[in-house]
Amino acid sequence: DGGITQSPKYLFRKEGQNVTLSCEQNLNHDAMYWYRQDPGQGLRLIYYSQIVNDFQKGDIAEGYSVSREKKESFPLTVTSAQKNPTAFYLCASSGTGGRNQPQHFGDGTRLSIL
Amino acid sequence: GENVEQHPSTLSVQEGDSAVIKCTYSDSASNYFPWYKQELGKGPQLIIDIRSNVGEKKDQRIAVTLNKTAKHFSLHITETQPEDSAVYFCAVGSGYSTLTFGKGTMLLVSP
Repeated sequence: DGGITQSPKYLFRKEGQNVTLSCEQNLNHDAMYWYRQDPGQGLRLIYYSQIVNDFQKGDIAEGYSVSREKKESFPLTVTSAQKNPTAFYLCASSGTGGRNQPQHFGDGTRLSIL
Repeated sequence: GENVEQHPSTLSVQEGDSAVIKCTYSDSASNYFPWYKQELGKGPQLIIDIRSNVGEKKDQRIAVTLNKTAKHFSLHITETQPEDSAVYFCAVGSGYSTLTFGKGTMLLVSP
């Protein structure tokens, strides 16, 4: 069954700690995205990648880092530089092809501060 | 950059009524307009999308209309059911891969 898997579902971070959120897709999509969702807010783009070994900053990239070593994987690291990391993090993927393609989402990771 | 405004932020209807959610956008070059439904604790799910060469698209009880001149598009849900209760997001794309999202509408359908 094709889809996007995010893990863990819940994650707790201590002060000064880096944490990594996992995102895996088996949809054979070239593009992957990370969004942050805060209560009452829309989705804000953190990073995106349109091809392996390449990625671009979104609107709120400060305090985050990503890698794209494999087509099916796009992990997000929330660094200690991100001072307000508590949020719901969503990963998505889509095809590419010269115009916007539908984005498919995972079920998210909720990050909280201890 | 693109600016997307979504209204209303909350919408309460009785089962069987229709619901309409509207989004406006700022970039006249935008050409892709998807709508997502998000249930509690889940990721958004695409329910319908429309491109700028089409004025209206329908899928059973859901329809989307687009007015390019006025730069707004709307989601219409007819014969609402309690299971339609969720948060709905509009989004706008301009031909590249990224989307700009509205802030969402919480729809509550009362039996």
